Amino acid sequence: AQSVTQLDSQVPVFEEAPVELRCNYSSSVSVYLFWYVQYPNQGLQLLLKYLSGSTLVESINGFEAEFNKSQTSFHLRKPSVHISDTAEYFCAVSDFSSGGYQKVTFGTGTKLQVIP
Amino acid sequence: DGGITQSPKYLFRKEGQNVTLSCEQNLNHDAMYWYRQDPGQGLRLIYYSQIVNDFQKGDIAEGYSVSREKKESFPLTVTSAQKNPTAFYLCASSSTGTATSYEQYFGPGTRLTVT
Repeated sequence: AQSVTQLDSQVPVFEEAPVELRCNYSSSVSVYLFWYVQYPNQGLQLLLKYLSGSTLVESINGFEAEFNKSQTSFHLRKPSVHISDTAEYFCAVSDFSSGGYQKVTFGTGTKLQVIP
Repeated sequence: DGGITQSPKYLFRKEGQNVTLSCEQNLNHDAMYWYRQDPGQGLRLIYYSQIVNDFQKGDIAEGYSVSREKKESFPLTVTSAQKNPTAFYLCASSSTGTATSYEQYFGPGTRLTVT
């Protein structure tokens, strides 16, 4: 069984300050890792993903996440946040169960509130 | 533009009534999913379908039913047996096989309120 833990339900941060949203996972098999972003009353959008290769992955809007296998973590960081980054962020882990089905487990989400 | 549409955006029903939520995709994806989102609980999988005419129960299927008669469509029915149906419902799809990008694409969601 796999699980995802996002310990911080809310993270307030001032505009232009750095931020880190924490994500830890557990799984008995190799996994793929994702960060999704959700703006109010909308669906989720993929922010970035780790499948293999370089452990540092980046998004087009300045976010990055680093896969740390020994610590089973995939924390999301941004060196300088903008008001428009205010949203809820979900970490997700997926593997392929028997039969080829891609089972995805989502964390409980972290609400990032950027303060002007 | 390719994507997933869900309708309606907001839905109100009286307790004891069945209600069907629509989900349509034009991404040519084989796999489709229904999630339920409640505050502070993340997303929980209700049903998923990997191919037309086949679907499987997720973690919280009780009180829900689905059909997959067409590749593009995966409607969800919330039945009167669902004890606490008020929630935000999200439909998603993904590619499968060797061409998969492994990510899921989400619709805009339907907010269901049952009173």
